[in-house]
Amino acid sequence: AQSVTQPDIHITVSEGASLELRCNYSYGATPYLFWYVQSPGQGLQLLLKYFSGDTLVQGIKGFEAEFKRSQSSFNLRKPSVHWSDAAEYFCAVGNSGGYQKVTFGTGTKLQVIP
Amino acid sequence: DGGITQSPKYLFRKEGQNVTLSCEQNLNHDAMYWYRQDPGQGLRLIYYSQIVNDFQKGDIAEGYSVSREKKESFPLTVTSAQKNPTAFYLCASSSRTVYGYTFGSGTRLTVV
Repeated sequence: AQSVTQPDIHITVSEGASLELRCNYSYGATPYLFWYVQSPGQGLQLLLKYFSGDTLVQGIKGFEAEFKRSQSSFNLRKPSVHWSDAAEYFCAVGNSGGYQKVTFGTGTKLQVIP
Repeated sequence: DGGITQSPKYLFRKEGQNVTLSCEQNLNHDAMYWYRQDPGQGLRLIYYSQIVNDFQKGDIAEGYSVSREKKESFPLTVTSAQKNPTAFYLCASSSRTVYGYTFGSGTRLTVV
């Protein structure tokens, strides 16, 4: 069964500092991987996704993520955090065949301090 | 613009009542999903539907029911059998050709 682990429940960073959110997945084949962002009381917005090819993927809002098969990881990064990035971030893994079954991690809540 | 509309945004229910949450999409997506979100638990799949008139149970289907009579609509009924219905409910959809879900803005259900 596929699964996702986000080991950090809360992360606090200063505005302008770099950010890395950790994500580890479990999946038998090559996974489809996603990062979503959720503002309070809102739905989830797709930041980026990885299917194949270049292991460093660029997303919206200046985010990027790197797929590392050897570590079963898909960490999200941003070089300089803005106060508007404060939100909850979800990593997700999807199956590579059949209907789309996506499993979500429990989320990492990001706080940005001035 | 295409998207998913969930209504209402806030819903209050008395214990013992059934309530129905609406989800409508105009993206021409084939598949639709209902998730429940509780603090610290991520998203848990309630039901999903890949085509009209067909749906399958997800991981936490007990106390919920759905229908898929039209491609655009996938309403969720929270029945009185659901022991702890207070939560944030998210509807999503996906297409066969583009991988990844599109989410609605959610409905917060509170039992009073």
